[in-house]
Amino acid sequence: GESVGLHLPTLSVQEGDNSIINCAYSNSASDYFIWYKQESGKGPQFIIDIRSNMDKRQGQRVTVLLNKTVKHLSLQIAATQPGDSAVYFCAENITPDTGRRALTFGSGTRLQVQP
Amino acid sequence: DGGITQSPKYLFRKEGQNVTLSCEQNLNHDAMYWYRQDPGQGLRLIYYSQIVNDFQKGDIAEGYSVSREKKESFPLTVTSAQKNPTAFYLCASSRGGQGVTFAFFGQGTRLTVV
Repeated sequence: GESVGLHLPTLSVQEGDNSIINCAYSNSASDYFIWYKQESGKGPQFIIDIRSNMDKRQGQRVTVLLNKTVKHLSLQIAATQPGDSAVYFCAENITPDTGRRALTFGSGTRLQVQP
Repeated sequence: DGGITQSPKYLFRKEGQNVTLSCEQNLNHDAMYWYRQDPGQGLRLIYYSQIVNDFQKGDIAEGYSVSREKKESFPLTVTSAQKNPTAFYLCASSRGGQGVTFAFFGQGTRLTVV
């Protein structure tokens, strides 16, 4: 796994604003991506996923954008609410080259919503 | 309720002791996973299992062992060989099969070595 520092990058937004959380992935063979939300002391919760044959997918208040050219993934949260405050992780699946069938996680971004 | 149950929520271990973390799922999922999370960091894969009686090492398997004797259970043993076992341990499961799908996570076990 990647080596990361103790301090997560933090995005601070005002309640009601839109949030954009970014993630760079490393392997061009990755074919499936997921965004998770993790609240303090809890397990990650699934937010939205996208396969590599798509470049955009929308859910309720969330949109994931995939740019395979620059290996970049973003999560957009509309009308951010205090309950959205959490750490957000992107995860990727790197088959078929490796034969490994498990997700690899990024280091996370902390979203702080100011009332 | 369908889901993944990890127990205990908090666990204390003396140095040199082995300890086993429990993970049970009733989602009828074939695949199960163990991840480790250190403060302010992402999740790192310890072991995973795509089917009963089979499991594979992840990125940080040294000092850990697992078994998959039943579909619903995937216990993780943290052995005395693990040099820095204090961490938050997360178990997950997914449908498995040819492609990876999103995984459901348990609520974690926080292990502290005293």
